[in-house]
Amino acid sequence: QQQVKQSPQSLIVQKGGISIINCAYENTAFDYFPWYQQFPGKGPALLIAIRPDVSEKKEGRFTISFNKSAKQFSLHIMDSQPGDSATYFCAASSSYNTDKLIFGTGTRLQVFP
Amino acid sequence: GAGVSQSPRYKVAKRGQDVALRCDPISGHVSLFWYQQALGQGPEFLTYFQNEAQLDKSGLPSDRFFAERPEGSVSTLKIQRTQQEDSAVYLCASTLFPDSLYEQYFGPGTRLTVT
Repeated sequence: QQQVKQSPQSLIVQKGGISIINCAYENTAFDYFPWYQQFPGKGPALLIAIRPDVSEKKEGRFTISFNKSAKQFSLHIMDSQPGDSATYFCAASSSYNTDKLIFGTGTRLQVFP
Repeated sequence: GAGVSQSPRYKVAKRGQDVALRCDPISGHVSLFWYQQALGQGPEFLTYFQNEAQLDKSGLPSDRFFAERPEGSVSTLKIQRTQQEDSAVYLCASTLFPDSLYEQYFGPGTRLTVT
């Protein structure tokens, strides 16, 4: 019940295209859903996050869509750039459980010029 | 400003050796987390401190793993009698207050290789 399932494992997108990464969860106690970006040799960095009281959040080229009834959320990267090439992790946490992050398995995104 | 720092960045240990990994969180951050990231996987929670109190150690894989934060700032993760399956990147994260309103800032990690 603690798992967060992420797909696809890898994604290749042309510059200017839309990258879409999906995640699903089971634990209804989760109340915070962040996305992290990780470059090789670096720690994860927060990209954007959402709470279950809204269905969508947009920050620049990055949008989270959240479907509470389906227990799914997704990251959309508009106008993808080569600099977006990295590994992306969805995560979830519960304020009832120390806010520790439960991560998905990651999506390796490659954006070609 | 200074972020979360970890040392050493790389550690090679022979099987059976003890290792100690250090985390310097952002100054003033109350909460500190340790995560383990195996190659090609997402980070997995190990343990959580609020100030000097270890409130959650449910993710520690065995009693060979021990963490401390005696003065509520620097934390050390110790692994005794290392095994090959301990090879991973160990990440530390800190946050200002124990609330998800506050971002978890991650350090660069320590890559542990057990030979």
